Amino acid sequence: ILNVEQSPQSLHVQEGDSTNFTCSFPSSNFYALHWYRWETAKSPEALFVMTLNGDEKKKGRISATLNTKEGYSYLYIKGSQPEDSATYLCASQGGGADGLTFGKGTHLIIQP
Amino acid sequence: NAGVTQTPKFQVLKTGQSMTLQCAQDMNHEYMSWYRQDPGMGLRLIHYSVGAGITDQGEVPNGYNVSRSTTEDFPLRLLSAAPSQTSVYFCASSYASGGINEQFFGPGTRLTVL
Repeated sequence: ILNVEQSPQSLHVQEGDSTNFTCSFPSSNFYALHWYRWETAKSPEALFVMTLNGDEKKKGRISATLNTKEGYSYLYIKGSQPEDSATYLCASQGGGADGLTFGKGTHLIIQP
Repeated sequence: NAGVTQTPKFQVLKTGQSMTLQCAQDMNHEYMSWYRQDPGMGLRLIHYSVGAGITDQGEVPNGYNVSRSTTEDFPLRLLSAAPSQTSVYFCASSYASGGINEQFFGPGTRLTVL
């Protein structure tokens, strides 16, 4: 069982500010790192999947980086907007096509 | 495409009752998974399947059975429901893309066991 940790557990950010949070995962038997965005009363939706050390992905104001050697990934949100309020989940995928092990998420609240 | 569908959306059971949570996908995905989501616990993998006829256990399989007779369907069976199985259940499916297992989630089933 992979142990995936996310911090902080929750985060309040002023609208317009930039923010970031962390996902740490075991670097052994690593295959891929996933980020999901989960809005209240909806299903999780995939944001990024990264596999290579040093990978950086970007989608609009949201970006993510990956360090497989030390076992962490950062998610960045630039210029936060109220619609960014959600829980952000990361998940580690072990070798091959195994199921994902999810962290508990970072609950982000953007205050107008 | 309907994507991943789950039925029912809500269910209340008494302890000891059995039921099947249905999950179907129309994206021809090979991989399907069941997760449960509990407060403060995040998503935990119950069972998963890498293709029709093949299933495997996840992190919390006890009390649940699965089968995968077709590519489209992946039902989750509770043989004798217990209050500890009160949770929100998510089914997910994945396409095979170099082994990367990006999941597409269904809308969830909220189960209460009294």
